[in-house]
Amino acid sequence: EVLLLESGGGLVQPGGSLRLSCAASGFTFSNYAMGWVRQAPGKGLEWVSGISVSGGSTDYADSVKGRFSISRDNSKKMLYLQMNSLRAEDTAVYYCAKGGVSNGMDVWGQGTTVTVSS
Amino acid sequence: QSVLTQPPSVSAAPGQKVTISCSGSSSNIGNNYVSWYQQFPGTAPKLLIYKNNERPSGIPDRFSGSKSGTSATLGITGLQTGDEADYYCGTWDSSLSVWVFGGGTKLTVL
Repeated sequence: EVLLLESGGGLVQPGGSLRLSCAASGFTFSNYAMGWVRQAPGKGLEWVSGISVSGGSTDYADSVKGRFSISRDNSKKMLYLQMNSLRAEDTAVYYCAKGGVSNGMDVWGQGTTVTVSS
Repeated sequence: QSVLTQPPSVSAAPGQKVTISCSGSSSNIGNNYVSWYQQFPGTAPKLLIYKNNERPSGIPDRFSGSKSGTSATLGITGLQTGDEADYYCGTWDSSLSVWVFGGGTKLTVL
């Protein structure tokens, strides 16, 4: 079974940092682009970041550029999102998703909640 | 304000057909594949359509996708109460180098 399992969410103060992790199983992780998508409470989906199969190419939404960093460890089948200088508007459920430009995001994790509040 | 424009809501009776539109530009829909996602409250999105009109295995043929120019459409036939959900279109924007989603459409099956 193809699975993505996020972890690392929680409550953090404004200006703080968090590192989200996504553990992949059931597919050849190193063959697929991956990404992070978030959803603020009561709002729609917002793409956050994407990474190529090798990790050599990354893209970011303007709202997080310079503050967030996506990375992957193909040997461990892990995807990461390092989030720095967190703001209240970063409060959301963060989903890890498999896939990219061509075939869409065909597998999603269950999400991990990040709350930025003092 | 989303780069892709969807109607906030649509509704139809059980058994009927509904379409959800997604309007963009040449930098996104016009030159890239469109995918569609279904999301029930409190759950992760699910891929319904990819590459404009392809269905992943397990998705019923009641769901269909099409694209023309800078717009895309999701069609759902034989509506069921279990289809009540939020639907999102998404695609790559080549000018912005970001993935973009529509604002989402809430489907109500009356």
